[in-house]
Amino acid sequence: QKEVEQDPGPLSVPEGAIVSLNCTYSNSAFQYFMWYRQYSRKGPELLMYTYSSGNKEDGRFTAQVDKSSKYISLFIRDSQPSDSATYLCASGAGSYQLTFGKGTKLSVIP
Amino acid sequence: DGGITQSPKYLFRKEGQNVTLSCEQNLNHDAMYWYRQDPGQGLRLIYYSQIVNDFQKGDIAEGYSVSREKKESFPLTVTSAQKNPTAFYLCASSYQPEKLFFGSGTQLSVL
Repeated sequence: QKEVEQDPGPLSVPEGAIVSLNCTYSNSAFQYFMWYRQYSRKGPELLMYTYSSGNKEDGRFTAQVDKSSKYISLFIRDSQPSDSATYLCASGAGSYQLTFGKGTKLSVIP
Repeated sequence: DGGITQSPKYLFRKEGQNVTLSCEQNLNHDAMYWYRQDPGQGLRLIYYSQIVNDFQKGDIAEGYSVSREKKESFPLTVTSAQKNPTAFYLCASSYQPEKLFFGSGTQLSVL
């Protein structure tokens, strides 16, 4: 069983919609949870980083972690066409080896 | 501008040939990484290095080799032993293991 599962989509939403992206993980040792955004044929960039359960907000983006259910979410409010990208969730246990999900491709339609 | 530079952007390999992908960073990060990305797949770790002159194998190190002679540089060689090398290769560096800074990637294809 892959340690981080992510629905690959694709996901298509109209501009202004609220987007919900989700991952599940199986390794109880994971303590760090990240969301990376990757535009086509570019390197990923770190979007959100959380350490504990709960919510973390940064502008239009909210990362949510529920360690009891091993569930990671990213919410995007007022989505824009510039948000169209692939979103990768990742988890780590404090070592140098992160585990990435396969990524969800998001398209925001004007 | 601080960042990570990968070159070349596109690379073609003939059968039996070794090729080297370049990765340079000026972020003063101690740790550097190489990941492989296949279509529809997550990132898979090939090698990582925590400090100069030291590196460790990741999940898919077979058919690859690296060196870390300078803090700024972490080249990856794809050897002829790697039978399925076509992929998008990403180099990254970090000051903290969870916060990776990625380069723009190198697309390697087989002729």
